[in-house]
Amino acid sequence: GAGVSQSPSNKVTEKGKDVELRCDPISGHTALYWYRQSLGQGLEFLIYFQGNSAPDKSGLPSDRFSAERTGGSVSTLTIQRTQQEDSAVYLCASSSDRFTGELFFGEGSRLTVL
Amino acid sequence: GNSVTQMEGPVTLSEEAFLTINCTYTATGYPSLFWYVQYPGEGLQLLLKATKADDKGSNKGFEATYRKETTSFHLEKGSVQVSDSAVYFCALSPLYSGGGADGLTFGKGTHLIIQP
Repeated sequence: GAGVSQSPSNKVTEKGKDVELRCDPISGHTALYWYRQSLGQGLEFLIYFQGNSAPDKSGLPSDRFSAERTGGSVSTLTIQRTQQEDSAVYLCASSSDRFTGELFFGEGSRLTVL
Repeated sequence: GNSVTQMEGPVTLSEEAFLTINCTYTATGYPSLFWYVQYPGEGLQLLLKATKADDKGSNKGFEATYRKETTSFHLEKGSVQVSDSAVYFCALSPLYSGGGADGLTFGKGTHLIIQP
């Protein structure tokens, strides 16, 4: 597609359930990023992929969070045993060059944990 | 570590007013600096950038100058419009900082509201 696509756009789940969030980056973009946007907290870096590998996982908030990327394209962010504090908008971005800082963002997946 | 501090919002202005949104940063080395904008219901998009000291980024009437001596990258516009209402994020990229996490470091965002 023309832009970064994320799904679902909205997800409501119960505490303790697992959720998967999907990101389809711009075709040909080798770098992919996940951020979390919480009210009043700005954007929090979660993880970065270059191709299928994740050289930097330092931002994942706990071991309940994991992410993978396959075929150098689609990425999935998985949150296990969700907690209420996981409620946020999860943003995906891609870039053709990891060094330029010019990221193209999707519209985000809004997660609400009840 | 790297950090970005920007003025708290919301900032409310009348149409045609002059806009300044302050942004200061802390980083080692020589980061690139960015302003991103998030319009209602949309994803973030790059507004402008500057990659070295004294560079001026500009786009859509907005400008920001990379001031290394004051570690600042303030966003300005001479005459704002209702359509400029959005959340503005200042960010830095640690390309030349010699280390740190990949990805941009963002400020918390400034919500700008322009009234007709």
